[in-house]
Parts: sequence; C-alpha cells; structure tokens
Amino acid sequence: GDSVTQMEGPVTLSEEAFLTINCTYTATGYPSLFWYVQYPGEGLQLLLKATKADDKGSNKGFEATYRKETTSFHLEKGSVQVSDSAVYFCALRPQGAQKLVFGQGTRLTINP
Amino acid sequence: SAVISQKPSRDICQRGTSLTIQCQVDSQVTMMFWYRQQPGQSLTLIATANQGSEATYESGFVIDKFPISRPNLTFSTLTVSNMSPEDSSIYLCSVDQGLGLGIYEQYFGPGTRLTVT
Repeated sequence: GDSVTQMEGPVTLSEEAFLTINCTYTATGYPSLFWYVQYPGEGLQLLLKATKADDKGSNKGFEATYRKETTSFHLEKGSVQVSDSAVYFCALRPQGAQKLVFGQGTRLTINP
Repeated sequence: SAVISQKPSRDICQRGTSLTIQCQVDSQVTMMFWYRQQPGQSLTLIATANQGSEATYESGFVIDKFPISRPNLTFSTLTVSNMSPEDSSIYLCSVDQGLGLGIYEQYFGPGTRLTVT
C-alpha cells in the first residue's frame, strides 16, 4: 500500500543552520506530495506541495523537489530560524484518491 | 484557503461517556475528512464524510464507535462513543479545496484535544 517514511527525529539545529528533512514514499502511479507543519499548540498548516515529477514546491524559505526516480520529497531550508521550531509532516495523496497518507512526523527544534 | 473551526478545542472526559466534535467550514465543500492524531504519532484517517450519504470508514474504524453526521455542505460532527483512555488523541477535520486541473489542497481545522480519564 501507499506509505511515507520520514527521517527519525527529533532534529536540533542552531539558528542559521541548513536544514534537510528526508522523506521517501511508496505509491503507485503519480501521487501528489505535501509538507505540512504543526507549530506548538496549533493545527496542521500546509507548507508546500508538488503535484508532478520534477516540480519544486516552495514557501517561507522552505523548498522540496518531487523526485520520481528516487521516490523522494526532501524538505530543505538554507537558514533556519527559532520560529521554524515545529513538527513537520510529509504526506502523499495517491493518484485519484482524496485521502492523505502521512509520515510519522519530524520534530525540529532550533536553538538561538 | 478554507477557514475551518472546531468545537470544543479541548475536553477532558470520563471513560464510558461520549463526546461530539463539531467542524464548521466557511465555504461549501463536497468532502470532509476526520483524522486522529494519537500522542506523539502521525495522523490517521478515520473516515470520509460526503453530504447526503453515509461516511466511509477506514480499516480499523467503525461507525458504532465513531458515528459521523454531515447534514449540509459546511458542517460535520464526529462522535467518539463509549470512550476509553486509548481514545485520548487530537481529532482533526479537514476539507479539500480544488485548484483546477485535478489538483487539490487539503486544509485542516485546529483540532480537538481529547483526554479520557
């Protein structure tokens, strides 16, 4: 079945460090891929998306590229801030389906 | 993007009781979704609710435990019945927003944090 695997957390970085959170997926056909962010005490927010191979989603300095050949959608940011501390979820929407399949989430803490 | 509200935002309930969670959207939507997020875990889809028909439940979730209503295109309720401590979770509703060309984004409500004692 369809599944998403994220890198194990928690991840702790210093402010202005480079961030990568790995995400790989298993799915038939051409799913859409998403990153969601959950700030402390808040709901889930859509961060970025990509709907076809080689698409790059970007928002708030974050970006991720849909790599069909490696079935990956890694999240990157060049210089993180304390305010980026949150839990990040990678998700896929199977082709033709409406539900989302989520990875296990990665907790990110940025220290000043 | 759709604006989604949920009530209550949190509750502490006794085991054996039931709680009904409300989800309100600021626009008409065809499908609404209910997810569960257990402590420290990811999100799992409970069911999909389509207005005018019975909800479709995912494997491991049953209507007797999680009855859902969808009376109109902007509102849905999820009831957690005969609660046990294992039902302590955050319950989230979500909706699809179509962007055209078969592309959709799914937006989430703020969640209802349920603790069962």
